Amino acid sequence: EAQVTQNPRYLITVTGKKLTVTCSQNMNHEYMSWYRQDPGLGLRQIYYSMNVEVTDKGDVPEGYKVSRKEKRNFPLILESPSPNQTSLYFCASSPTPSGGNQPQHFGDGTRLSIL
Amino acid sequence: ILNVEQSPQSLHVQEGDSTNFTCSFPSSNFYALHWYRWETAKSPEALFVMTLNGDEKKKGRISATLNTKEGYSYLYIKGSQPEDSATYLCAFVNNAGNMLTFGGGTRLMVKP
Repeated sequence: EAQVTQNPRYLITVTGKKLTVTCSQNMNHEYMSWYRQDPGLGLRQIYYSMNVEVTDKGDVPEGYKVSRKEKRNFPLILESPSPNQTSLYFCASSPTPSGGNQPQHFGDGTRLSIL
Repeated sequence: ILNVEQSPQSLHVQEGDSTNFTCSFPSSNFYALHWYRWETAKSPEALFVMTLNGDEKKKGRISATLNTKEGYSYLYIKGSQPEDSATYLCAFVNNAGNMLTFGGGTRLMVKP
């Protein structure tokens, strides 16, 4: 089954403790992206990647890192999480390097709570 | 950060009613406009990707139109059903083609 898989689905952690949210897609998609969703603010793009070893900042990249060492994986790293990063996070992928002309396929989301 | 607005924020309709809502976006540097349907506790699902001014797309009872010159898109639902209850999101893509800017969504609730 074609899918985007995020792990973990839920995480409660404390300020400053490094964490990684994994994202994997099995559709051989070129483009991958991370979003956060906050009440009243809609989905905001954190980082995106058009291909292996190519990553770019979205609208809200501060406090996050990403890597794209393999086509299928695009982990989101919070080196020193803070409470303002408490949010619902979505990973998405689309077939072509330009993510804009094809629909995004979303994972099931990861709810992070940082105390 | 680009300004993408959706209206109304929420909408309550009766089963069988037809409804529509709006996505407004910058009229310059247009590349594409996406529509997604997002049910509670699930992930957003793509409805349409529209790229040409005057585009009209249809999927069952749902259709969308696009006006890139004036910077708006309409989403129409004909004969709303309770299963149409969801948040509908639009996303603007500028001519770099790589970043999506989402609107705040329209939450639709259809009463049986």
